[in-house]
Amino acid sequence: GESVGLHLPTLSVQEGDNSIINCAYSNSASDYFIWYKQESGKGPQFIIDIRSNMDKRQGQRVTVLLNKTVKHLSLQIAATQPGDSAVYFCAERGAGRRALTFGSGTRLQVQP
Amino acid sequence: NAGVTQTPKFQVLKTGQSMTLQCAQDMNHNSMYWYRQDPGMGLRLIYYSASEGTTDKGEVPNGYNVSRLNKREFSLRLESAAPSQTSVYFCASSEEGLNTQYFGPGTRLTVL
Repeated sequence: GESVGLHLPTLSVQEGDNSIINCAYSNSASDYFIWYKQESGKGPQFIIDIRSNMDKRQGQRVTVLLNKTVKHLSLQIAATQPGDSAVYFCAERGAGRRALTFGSGTRLQVQP
Repeated sequence: NAGVTQTPKFQVLKTGQSMTLQCAQDMNHNSMYWYRQDPGMGLRLIYYSASEGTTDKGEVPNGYNVSRLNKREFSLRLESAAPSQTSVYFCASSEEGLNTQYFGPGTRLTVL
C-alpha cells in the first residue's frame, strides 16, 4: 500500500549549519510532493513543493530534492536558525488523487 | 486576509456528546479538507470537499460527518463523541487543480 515515512524522528543541528531532512515514499505513481513546517501549537505551514517531473527545486534557504529512482525526498535548509526548530512533514499525492498523504514527521532542534 | 480560521480552539466533551467544528477560508478556494493529528503522527484525512456541494470520504471518516455550507465554510460534526476522537483537528483549503493546502490553527479536542 501507499506510505510516506521519514528516516529520522529527531534531528539536532547547530545554529548556522545546514540541515537535511529525509523522506521515503512507496507509491511510485505519486506525482506531487510537498514539505510543511509545524511549530508547536500551530497548523502546518507550507514550505516548498515539487512535481515528479523535476529533480530539484529551490526556495529561500530551502531546497527540495527528489530521487524517483529510489523514491526518496529530502529537504535541505541552509544556515539553520533557531526559528527553524519545528516538526517537518513531507506529503505526497498519488497520480489521479486529490488528497495528500502525510508522513509522521521529523523534529528539527537547532542548538545555539 | 485571515486565511483559514477555525473555531473553537479548544473543546472538552464527554463520551456521547455531539459538537460541530467550524472552518472558514477567505482565499476563494474551491477545495477544503478536514484532518486529524494524533500525538507523534502525521495528519490523516477525514473528509474533503473538492468544490461547493460535494464531499468525499478520506482515510478515517468513521464517526464524522461534514457539511460544505457554502464556498467559504466547511464544518465537521461529531454526532456521538468517543475517547478515540481525542485529537487535534485541522482544516485546510486549496485552489482547485492546485495542490498547495493552507491550514488553519487547529482545534484541540478532548473526549473524556
